[in-house]
Formats: sequence, C-alpha cells, structure tokens
Amino acid sequence: ETGVTQTPRHLVMGMTNKKSLKCEQHLGHNAMYWYKQSAKKPLELMFVYSLEERVENNSVPSRFSPECPNSSHLFLHLHTLQPEDSALYLCASSQTQASHSYEQYFGPGTRLTVT
Amino acid sequence: AQSVTQLDSHVSVSEGTPVLLRCNYSSSYSPSLFWYVQHPNKGLQLLLKYTSAATLVKGINGFEAEFKKSETSFHLTKPSAHMSDAAEYFCVVKTASKLTFGTGTRLQVTL
Repeated sequence: ETGVTQTPRHLVMGMTNKKSLKCEQHLGHNAMYWYKQSAKKPLELMFVYSLEERVENNSVPSRFSPECPNSSHLFLHLHTLQPEDSALYLCASSQTQASHSYEQYFGPGTRLTVT
Repeated sequence: AQSVTQLDSHVSVSEGTPVLLRCNYSSSYSPSLFWYVQHPNKGLQLLLKYTSAATLVKGINGFEAEFKKSETSFHLTKPSAHMSDAAEYFCVVKTASKLTFGTGTRLQVTL
C-alpha cells in the first residue's frame, strides 16, 4: 500500500452507535490531520497531530474523539452523532519541521451517513 | 489572517479548449500556494505548488499556475481540456502550518 489509506470508505450509522474511522499513511510523515468536507462548504480542519501529539483542535464537538497511537496511524472515534455530521471525512499527512509543515497528502475519505 | 477566494464556483469548457480557474488570496506573510484536484468519491490530489521559487509553476496533467504578487492571484490554467479533467479544484494558501482552503471550483468538460 502506498500513500494515505482510509477505512471504511463508506459508513452508515445510527445516532446511538459508536464507530471508528481509521487512517494510515505510508509516506514516513510525522503529522496527520482530520478534515470534514460537507456539501457547499470549505474544507474544515478538525484535528492536527504532530509527532503524535494533538496540536490543534478547531472547536470540534466532543462526540468526535481522535486518537494517534503512532505517526502512521490516526483514528476518529464517533459516538452519538447527529444527522448534520453526515459528510466526507478526509485524512491527510505531511512532514513538519521546526513548526513549518509541507504539502499535505490526502486519503480517499470515508463517506459517513448518520441516520 | 489569511483567506482564499475562488472566483467561480462552476466553470464549463469544451474538450480541447483552454481552462482558466481563478484564485485570489490574502495573507500577511509570504504564502505558499497550492492547487488540489478532487475527482468524484476520491480524496484531494496535489496538482502543483508555489513556494517562493519560480512564479510560473508547472504541475501534473498539463496544468500550470502563475503566482502574481501584485494581483494577489494564483490562477490555474491548462491549454487544452480533456474529459478526464472534470473534477473539483481547490486553491489553498499556507503560511507556517496553517492551511486555508477555497470553496472549490467545479470544472465541467463537454464534448
């Protein structure tokens, strides 16, 4: 596998379910990101991990919980979601050095539908 | 503060004709600028990037963009559109570790 992979590609869940999205990067990068892409809206940055530590959390509701066990893996744990959380969730990775990050490489996304 | 404006939400061209997707930015610092492309049900793919070297940047699939500081623009062009170019295109401005995405331009290519 090369690049950035995400599983599952599609997920349908009820509002009371708990599920997790997984992202894996094979590029040797040290930073990973979660984005939310909704129709007609700009890409929204949700979380940033650099060197496995969370460095940015853009006021995301607590029903979204990220986890970064190592520099190659990133999870997004979901619980008690709302229908408005239905969107494409994109993972990205990049190299960072001395607070400067380089271009990001994106996975194919997980299409989430909350019923 | 920084921002990016993609001036057209939708552009339609005929196959074989030139493509122009417009992007203007504002930034307090010297920015890096990127264009990404997203095909249906796919993630974003980096097309090209400007990082303060040559102002005319060549990317993949025949695309190029010119950084014009005086106009604060970074428009994306291609001399001849192909059907496979139909996708959504995002202009992105970056300073330090902060990325700001435009709202996207959907490119339609007709026969």
